[in-house]
Amino acid sequence: QITLKESGPTLVKPTQTLTLTCAFSGFSLRIGELSVGWIRQPPGKALEWLALIYWDDDKRYSPSLKNRLAVTKDTSKNQVFLSMTNMGPVDTATYYCAYYNNTYGYFDPWGPGTLVTVSS
Amino acid sequence: QSVLTQPPSFSAAPGQKVTISCSGTTSNIGSNYVSWYRQLPGTAPKLLIYDNNKRPSGIPDRFSGSKSGTSATLGITGLQTGDEADYYCGAWDSSLRAEIFGGGTKLTVL
Repeated sequence: QITLKESGPTLVKPTQTLTLTCAFSGFSLRIGELSVGWIRQPPGKALEWLALIYWDDDKRYSPSLKNRLAVTKDTSKNQVFLSMTNMGPVDTATYYCAYYNNTYGYFDPWGPGTLVTVSS
Repeated sequence: QSVLTQPPSFSAAPGQKVTISCSGTTSNIGSNYVSWYRQLPGTAPKLLIYDNNKRPSGIPDRFSGSKSGTSATLGITGLQTGDEADYYCGAWDSSLRAEIFGGGTKLTVL
């Protein structure tokens, strides 16, 4: 059974850098063609894809946020990390990580999400 | 504004059938697989449909998906009050080299 869980600060100040951790089990990013993605959802708004990291360390980023995002992984610890620089109030959202199926391009399952509020 | 276009809201009575549309372009729906997700209030999205029309194990056959050209549709039959949720379509966009989602459709079961 595949599970994922996000963790990190619940409150960050404007201009700070956010770093989130996605701890997963039930699969390994050492194995070919497996990937993990990050998605966020501002309160009351739609889903927004942020980034993907592949088993071979290839990465994809949202075109509108790519200058602020960095995704990395620690294969030995089954963890994926997302960093987002220069946080602002508009970045207040629930951040999800999810297992990404490369063949058909879907996310399943998702972690429960973690709400990050940006406020001074 | 989302790259994939969905109706913002939809309402129907219990037992009825609904279809939720998702409109895109040749670079996303027109050339890649479509997935659908359901998000119950206060919970993470859950996969309903992948590869345009396939259901993961555990998803009842009341849920169906289809694709034609640059549009996709999610169908739900035998509506239940528990189906009240937000529904999102998703697809890879080959031009943007990005995963994209629709703006979501809020389904109300009256």
